Amino acid sequence: DAGVIQSPRHEVTEMGQEVTLRCKPISGHNSLFWYRQTMMRGLELLIYFNNNVPIDDSGMPEDRFSAKMPNASFSTLKIQPSEPRDSAVYFCASSFGGIGADTQYFGPGTRLTVL
Amino acid sequence: GNSVTQMEGPVTLSEEAFLTINCTYTATGYPSLFWYVQYPGEGLQLLLKATKADDKGSNKGFEATYRKETTSFHLEKGSVQVSDSAVYFCGAQRRDSNYQLIWGAGTKLIIKP
Repeated sequence: DAGVIQSPRHEVTEMGQEVTLRCKPISGHNSLFWYRQTMMRGLELLIYFNNNVPIDDSGMPEDRFSAKMPNASFSTLKIQPSEPRDSAVYFCASSFGGIGADTQYFGPGTRLTVL
Repeated sequence: GNSVTQMEGPVTLSEEAFLTINCTYTATGYPSLFWYVQYPGEGLQLLLKATKADDKGSNKGFEATYRKETTSFHLEKGSVQVSDSAVYFCGAQRRDSNYQLIWGAGTKLIIKP
């Protein structure tokens, strides 16, 4: 299995630009998570999808952030417009959902730098 | 509220030393407990887990025992190696939720040769 795939691995952009991060979960997994990791705030859950439906987006910082999952094999996280404080590593993770101890499998992350 | 507390890092040890990273949790019910590890430049990966009281999770020489009476899940290893240098995250997942994994802040471990 290829694992969770994220692209791009690194993104450098200027303030005000639109940024789109992409994720391909592990085939057969029906839960998908977007996380943000910074030194100051640690690991934060941004949004959780189950069966392609957003279940909990309470972690999305503000309206500049949006996430979609048009099908079971693809998700995007978009920031528009981007700001320097959005600089972080963004992780996508997937799991096979169901009540209980489900292991989350993380992608390698996208390191975003907003200048 | 639900929370996970880990010992602050960085933790610096010499090779072959004994390791303990403390983790305590507060959560409704009896959550499942996890340790994840993040190597430099990579995403998190599951190290071990335990789903009920007195369960012991183990992997790669690391162990952690689910202690209900002390609400703890301390990570231990008898003899660390330089390759164990990484950030370690403790997590708790409520049984009534299939996604809400509550994360600790992470503990950076540095092993010197």
